[in-house]
Amino acid sequence: DAKTTQPNSMESNEEEPVHLPCNHSTISGTDYIHWYRQLPSQGPEYVIHGLTSNVNNRMASLAIAEDRKSSTLILHRATLRDAAVYYCILRDHPSGGATNKLIFGTGTLLAVQP
Amino acid sequence: NAGVTQTPKFRILKIGQSMTLQCAQDMNHNYMYWYRQDPGMGLKLIYYSVGAGITDKGEVPNGYNVSRSTTEDFPLRLELAAPSQTSVYFCASSSVTVNQPQHFGDGTRLSIL
Repeated sequence: DAKTTQPNSMESNEEEPVHLPCNHSTISGTDYIHWYRQLPSQGPEYVIHGLTSNVNNRMASLAIAEDRKSSTLILHRATLRDAAVYYCILRDHPSGGATNKLIFGTGTLLAVQP
Repeated sequence: NAGVTQTPKFRILKIGQSMTLQCAQDMNHNYMYWYRQDPGMGLKLIYYSVGAGITDKGEVPNGYNVSRSTTEDFPLRLELAAPSQTSVYFCASSSVTVNQPQHFGDGTRLSIL
């Protein structure tokens, strides 16, 4: 399974943009890049996903490098509620059919300062 | 808007006891998953199910059993609790459509003493 590499932790100031990097140099051509986040004492929640093109939704933007070996999750204006662990995940595509399985790494712990 | 409901939220077990962690979803999702999360670590997949009557092992299945008799419910069974099973357990579900997100419950915090 292709793996991802993320910084252990990052800090941001409230109301400033945050760029969370993820490296995935062994990504395959059909792997989608998914981002989830986990707020303290909660289960993970879906943030965004993409394949090749940049993606935007109400929570964040996902910028994918042209060679797809890295991506960046962008929070346009960080709030205190965005303090969480952010996971960059390549969706597992086992042979014989997809089961939407996710393989989590340790993620990036984002601290947001007021 | 219940989503994925896990019970209990907290539990303390003695070594060797057994228990069942309950998980129910009301989104008519075919896929369901059980993960465990140890302190400071990411989630690891224990078991998953692609539909009623069909289950398969994940990354760390030893010491656990599952069943899936209905679309809604996916209980996780610990037969002989061991201290190494102290963890937070998360249940999740997703639809069969490719790349649909997983929806997670709030977790069960389990301590084995």
